[in-house]
Amino acid sequence: SAVISQKPSRDICQRGTSLTIQCQVDSQVTMMFWYRQQPGQSLTLIATANQGSEATYESGFVIDKFPISRPNLTFSTLTVSNMSPEDSSIYLCSVGRGLTNTEAFFGQGTRLTVV
Amino acid sequence: AQTVTQSQPEMSVQEAETVTLSCTYDTSESDYYLFWYKQPPSRQMILVIRQEAYKQQNATENRFSVNFQKAAKSFSLKISDSQLGDAAMYFCAYRRSNSGYALNFGKGTSLLVTP
Repeated sequence: SAVISQKPSRDICQRGTSLTIQCQVDSQVTMMFWYRQQPGQSLTLIATANQGSEATYESGFVIDKFPISRPNLTFSTLTVSNMSPEDSSIYLCSVGRGLTNTEAFFGQGTRLTVV
Repeated sequence: AQTVTQSQPEMSVQEAETVTLSCTYDTSESDYYLFWYKQPPSRQMILVIRQEAYKQQNATENRFSVNFQKAAKSFSLKISDSQLGDAAMYFCAYRRSNSGYALNFGKGTSLLVTP
């Protein structure tokens, strides 16, 4: 398994500001992902965090709004920029190991409230 | 695009009884993975069970089993001998074959377990 630490676990932010969420894994992983879970909704993939290159964003998500970094194989950050109340969600980091392991592991998520 | 549909927003089961959660999906791929994840109030996503599409045998993990009907694109979860700790949101998920560990999730089913 993989132990994933996400920080902060929750935050309340003013609209127009930005928040950076950190995801730290206890061992090297090949792939890292960021999901958004809006209130009462399912998880939606934001992007794949690529080590050493730009993240790959899903339709409807852009780098200017959700810049992502992945400086090494155990760490990634997601920034939610210029926040509005519509950005209030749970943001989850997910990781996967080598190609033969099918399981994706999740962090406990960051509950973001924008006021 | 692959879509995952969970038609039951809420389900209720009595302790020690059996409950089945439904999931259907749409895909043109022949090789893929299906998952059931559990999300308790702690927000932690926990893998319950996985099924490889190329396997005809239904997956089983202790009290949890699936009924995988590939032709019908159906993937239901059966929970036997339900326990109070099974109460949670249950998400059905599809793993795209070319996306590593990125998952498409259904909207979830909230399972209530009554004493």
